[in-house]
Amino acid sequence: DIQMTQSPSSLSASVGDRVTITCRAGQSIRDYVNWYQKKPGKAPNLLIFAASTLQSGVPSRFSGSGYGTDFTLTISSLQPEDFATYFCQETYDNLWTFGPGTKVEVQ
Amino acid sequence: EVQLVESGGGLVQPGGSLRLSCAASGISVSQTYMTWVRQAPGKGLEWVSMMYSGGRKLYADSVRGRFTISRDNSEDTVYLQMNTLRREDTAVYYCARASYGSGSYFNLYYFDHWGQGTLVTVSS
Repeated sequence: DIQMTQSPSSLSASVGDRVTITCRAGQSIRDYVNWYQKKPGKAPNLLIFAASTLQSGVPSRFSGSGYGTDFTLTISSLQPEDFATYFCQETYDNLWTFGPGTKVEVQ
Repeated sequence: EVQLVESGGGLVQPGGSLRLSCAASGISVSQTYMTWVRQAPGKGLEWVSMMYSGGRKLYADSVRGRFTISRDNSEDTVYLQMNTLRREDTAVYYCARASYGSGSYFNLYYFDHWGQGTLVTVSS
């Protein structure tokens, strides 16, 4: 099984800040990584697939990068609606393992 | 517009059974890949099961042999039959559509449409 880790597990930030979340895979997975946003009581929302492809309708302040084992999700200017938990997901094998999540909180 | 609506959650005793439903509109479940993902209270997301358009079924190790995914093409509904439930199966269960990339990314899947979730509580 491919293990996925994320750092930090949580962070505090203010509106307008640039936020970067890191995801690491236990083995090389090319660019087979997706990113989701999750708010309490709501369904997960796909932000990015294939490491860097922005899902339709997702604001351009979200971006993704990385290849192999190390990946990042960046929010260029944090907005009030972006306070949430973010999960990476490997889609390299047929187990679609999620990372443990990064909670973005109000500073 | 794609819409997915889960139902069937509730309180069940350990060892009991429950069947979740996911009613789809805007898509044909027979022509797409459908998946179930769960989130236990205070925990992260966990993939549970996938059903391919061709009928192939996959399961997470934690549920294999206890859960069964199926579909009714005429009703455009996907099901998750959950047997021998354990306390650790307590979670909100989401169904989602799995899309895949194009070209060399034909086997890259991402979950792009989700239902609102249904809560399953396993407790005595």
